[in-house]
Amino acid sequence: DAGVIQSPRHEVTEMGQEVTLRCKPISGHNSLFWYRQTMMRGLELLIYFNNNVPIDDSGMPEDRFSAKMPNASFSTLKIQPSEPRDSAVYFCASSLTGGIAYEQYFGPGTRLTVT
Amino acid sequence: AQSVTQPDIHITVSEGASLELRCNYSYGATPYLFWYVQSPGQGLQLLLKYFSGDTLVQGIKGFEAEFKRSQSSFNLRKPSVHWSDAAEYFCAVGAGLTSYDKVIFGPGTSLSVIP
Repeated sequence: DAGVIQSPRHEVTEMGQEVTLRCKPISGHNSLFWYRQTMMRGLELLIYFNNNVPIDDSGMPEDRFSAKMPNASFSTLKIQPSEPRDSAVYFCASSLTGGIAYEQYFGPGTRLTVT
Repeated sequence: AQSVTQPDIHITVSEGASLELRCNYSYGATPYLFWYVQSPGQGLQLLLKYFSGDTLVQGIKGFEAEFKRSQSSFNLRKPSVHWSDAAEYFCAVGAGLTSYDKVIFGPGTSLSVIP
């Protein structure tokens, strides 16, 4: 199994530009999570999908952030327009099913730098 | 709402020495507890979890953790640390097992190992 795949691994962009992060969960997993990790705030859950449906998006910082899961094998996190304070490592994770009973498998992350 | 604290931001131990990483949680009912490890440049990996039963939980890589309800703690231990254990360690807590429940991560403890 290839594990959770994220692309790109690194993204450098200028303030005001649109950024799209991509995630392919492990095949057969029904739940997908987007996290953001910074030194100041640690690991924060941004949004959580179960069976392609957003269950909890209370962690999405503001309207500039949006996430979609058009099918079971693909999800995107978009930031538009990007700001320097969005610089962070963004992780995607998937698990077999919803809730916390099953282990979350994390991708390698996308390091985003907004200048 | 549940929360978790890790009192130690950074710990340094010598290779071969024992290790204990502290974790305290806040939650009114029985929590579901996890330890994850993050190696440099990688995503998080589950070390072990506690849902119920024996309060001493064995995990991967020789780690164990003990749930102490009276102290609201779930400390991680390893009898002999290897240089490859140098990483960031996250304690996490969950409140329920429905598909709507989520895991809350602590701020992490960075472990350095002296050869």
